[in-house]
Amino acid sequence: SQKIEQNSEALNIQEGKTATLTCNYTNYSPAYLQWYRQDPGRGPVFLLLIRENEKEKRKERLKVTFDTTLKQSLFHITASQPADSATYLCALGRDRFGAGTRLTVKP
Amino acid sequence: ETGVTQTPRHLVMGMTNKKSLKCEQHLGHNAMYWYKQSAKKPLELMFVYNFKEQTENNSVPSRFSPECPNSSHLFLHLHTLQPEDSALYLCASSQDGGGARSGANVLTFGAGSRLTVL
Repeated sequence: SQKIEQNSEALNIQEGKTATLTCNYTNYSPAYLQWYRQDPGRGPVFLLLIRENEKEKRKERLKVTFDTTLKQSLFHITASQPADSATYLCALGRDRFGAGTRLTVKP
Repeated sequence: ETGVTQTPRHLVMGMTNKKSLKCEQHLGHNAMYWYKQSAKKPLELMFVYNFKEQTENNSVPSRFSPECPNSSHLFLHLHTLQPEDSALYLCASSQDGGGARSGANVLTFGAGSRLTVL
């Protein structure tokens, strides 16, 4: 069966460091992969999309990689700030979401 | 607001009540969705509407009844719910409502309706 796993339920890092979140999937060949941010009591907000023929995508302090051989995406936030604290979800389609990683950036 | 508005934000109901959740999108999108989000679980897609026609029902119990009168409005009618139905119900919209390989469905979500069933 198809599985999507975000390796860490929670990740704590110090302000200024780079946060790296992982999304792994099995038994699926997605055409694209998305990352969303969700704050408590709010709906997810779209951040980045990367397609199967792209290795890397950047947006300001965010970087996403997509390795279709490893079946893995990495999501990086450089120079992290306390305001980056949230839950981050990966999605391989409208009906395939990971459970999320709750990131806490400590000042 | 994100362009997708959900009401009410919070709802408490008994198992014998009938209530409805409402969603409205102001983005001109063609597709609308209902999701269920329970603690520490992935988002569960419940229903998909494309141009106000239901195109997907992911084995959702009949105590959840969707209604889409037009491309901008979506309702979720609730009756005879169970305590395990307590969750955050999210509405979303996208420009394209096709399947995963037909196009990248970038979803715009509402803030959700927090439902508690007593």
